[in-house]
Amino acid sequence: KQEVTQIPAALSVPEGENLVLNCSFTDSAIYNLQWFRQDPGKGLTSLLLIQSSQREQTSGRLNASLDKSSGRSTLYIAASQPGDSATYLCAVYTGANSKLTFGKGITLSVRP
Amino acid sequence: EPEVTQTPSHQVTQMGQEVILRCVPISNHLYFYWYRQILGQKVEFLVSFYNNEISEKSEIFDDQFSVERPDGSNFTLKIRSTKLEDSAMYFCASRRTEYQETQYFGPGTRLLVL
Repeated sequence: KQEVTQIPAALSVPEGENLVLNCSFTDSAIYNLQWFRQDPGKGLTSLLLIQSSQREQTSGRLNASLDKSSGRSTLYIAASQPGDSATYLCAVYTGANSKLTFGKGITLSVRP
Repeated sequence: EPEVTQTPSHQVTQMGQEVILRCVPISNHLYFYWYRQILGQKVEFLVSFYNNEISEKSEIFDDQFSVERPDGSNFTLKIRSTKLEDSAMYFCASRRTEYQETQYFGPGTRLLVL
């Protein structure tokens, strides 16, 4: 059974810092990996999708990498801003029906 | 840009009552999903739906739950007799094709069972 882990559960950084959020998964037989952002009490906003054949994907200040063999992904946020404060969820696509298995998320607080 | 919509945004119900949560997936999408998130916990897969039938369901999706695509645009999740532990945020998602495509999520319905 696929398990997705995100450690630490929470992170607080000063504005302007570059930071890395980690995600690990137990079964390397994944199709894709997706990073989401969730604001308190709100829905899921897709940030980046990395296909299984890719090693990284970039969007603006965000860069996500994928190492299937080691079961790891990282989300790099450059020059963090207070508006980046949210919970960041990592999820992997597994199985023929491509259901998503989520990690519990990392709650990021960027201090002005 | 097309998006997944869900109604209602919030629902409060009494234990034992039936609820129907509604979703309108993106129009050319073929694969549909329901997930739920109990407060403070992970987002969990409930069920996937393709070609008018359930393609996979989790152990959470017991006989109290059912899904339907009644009219070619709506996708519904019915909980027949709600329990306190059904209180959660329920997310609908849709995807156009297999494998290499992202799932797009709706804003969620927050269900509170009293």
